Amino acid sequence: GQQLNQSPQSMFIQEGEDVSMNCTSSSIFNTWLWYKQDPGEGPVLLIALYKAGELTSNGRLTAQFGITRKDSFLNISASIPSDVGIYFCFGSGGSNYKLTFGKGTLLTVNP
Amino acid sequence: DGGITQSPKYLFRKEGQNVTLSCEQNLNHDAMYWYRQDPGQGLRLIYYSQIVNDFQKGDIAEGYSVSREKKESFPLTVTSAQKNPTAFYLCASSVTGGSNYGYTFGSGTRLTVV
Repeated sequence: GQQLNQSPQSMFIQEGEDVSMNCTSSSIFNTWLWYKQDPGEGPVLLIALYKAGELTSNGRLTAQFGITRKDSFLNISASIPSDVGIYFCFGSGGSNYKLTFGKGTLLTVNP
Repeated sequence: DGGITQSPKYLFRKEGQNVTLSCEQNLNHDAMYWYRQDPGQGLRLIYYSQIVNDFQKGDIAEGYSVSREKKESFPLTVTSAQKNPTAFYLCASSVTGGSNYGYTFGSGTRLTVV
């Protein structure tokens, strides 16, 4: 199936640093969704974006829906140890039930 | 509270055995999905169902089977034909009419072949 290009694949940072990750696609999407997966658990929705250019925050997290509708980024500010996990981007064209998603960014935060 | 429940959390299977993973949701979602997750490979779609009594193969359906007799339930059977079944399995559901609101995921089942 189709996948998004998500980068970086992994990141090792120190506590307190800011983090940025992004997803790009050759397809246009109506919706971008960012999920976080804790080790051994299922992904949980962090932020949903529904409009090109939209910038949305959820605490220390900020995500943007690219103007071209083919990309999105997620920023985490002042990282803490509990930010550790895999972050996935999901794109939806809205016309079917299936989401397209990236392979994930594995984030490790060193205390 | 509404949610999606997978059981068991951990499952061990002997080679040659079939095992069934349970997935139940009380979110009144029409669509349900099964994904397999291996390290470094992201999520791969096994099967999905948009309505009761109907389901479609995903990208890696070989060696797996599903049923959708009730809206709330979408069990996955890993058959002996699946050559490398050790993985983390995730079930998800979504609302009717598209996936713009995203999926709700279960907490996963880790299957190990011993």
